[in-house]
Amino acid sequence: DADVTQTPRNRITKTGKRIMLECSQTKGHDRMYWYRQDPGLGLRLIYYSFDVKDINKGEISDGYSVSRQAQAKFSLSLESAIPNQTALYFCATGRDYTDTQYFGPGTRLTVL
Amino acid sequence: ILNVEQSPQSLHVQEGDSTNFTCSFPSSNFYALHWYRWETAKSPEALFVMTLNGDEKKKGRISATLNTKEGYSYLYIKGSQPEDSATYLCAFLENTGNQFYFGTGTSLTVIP
Repeated sequence: DADVTQTPRNRITKTGKRIMLECSQTKGHDRMYWYRQDPGLGLRLIYYSFDVKDINKGEISDGYSVSRQAQAKFSLSLESAIPNQTALYFCATGRDYTDTQYFGPGTRLTVL
Repeated sequence: ILNVEQSPQSLHVQEGDSTNFTCSFPSSNFYALHWYRWETAKSPEALFVMTLNGDEKKKGRISATLNTKEGYSYLYIKGSQPEDSATYLCAFLENTGNQFYFGTGTSLTVIP
């Protein structure tokens, strides 16, 4: 079984809809991250969390919110989706800065 | 927002050729540099974590060097094989140890 899972893997939604992307991990890591990837821009950090009570904004948090329900679960919400949020979204986990990040398989989101 | 640059943007080499590419990052506030390999339709996978100036890491035919004083890291692939075809990402971690800043990647195609 994969260490980091994301659901759904693909989602098409309409402008204005609320959508939640979920991430679960079995690695026992405290640190979890949400990134988005757009062509030509690389991975950009949306939010990160170092434990259940520690949530921090990344470079591009506007239009997004997160919830850390447990050490193993970190959800990303788009309260009112807009077309420029169409992207590939990755969840990642890590032990600390000396450890690599472990990425989920990605969620491809299309907002029409 | 920090600027992490990778060059070249893309590269085509013949099987058996050796190649290298560059990741440039701010020379101040350095904490760590990560290299990842990202195959199409998969998620990024870790290659190296580099933390000390002068670090050299090696994994099979792939190696990396780090110069924190001048703000660059090189990734080398010796005797490229078609299975090396992927996008190679670097990620800079600034000195709070919190946020990773990714480059846009170097896309490598190895022609059989």
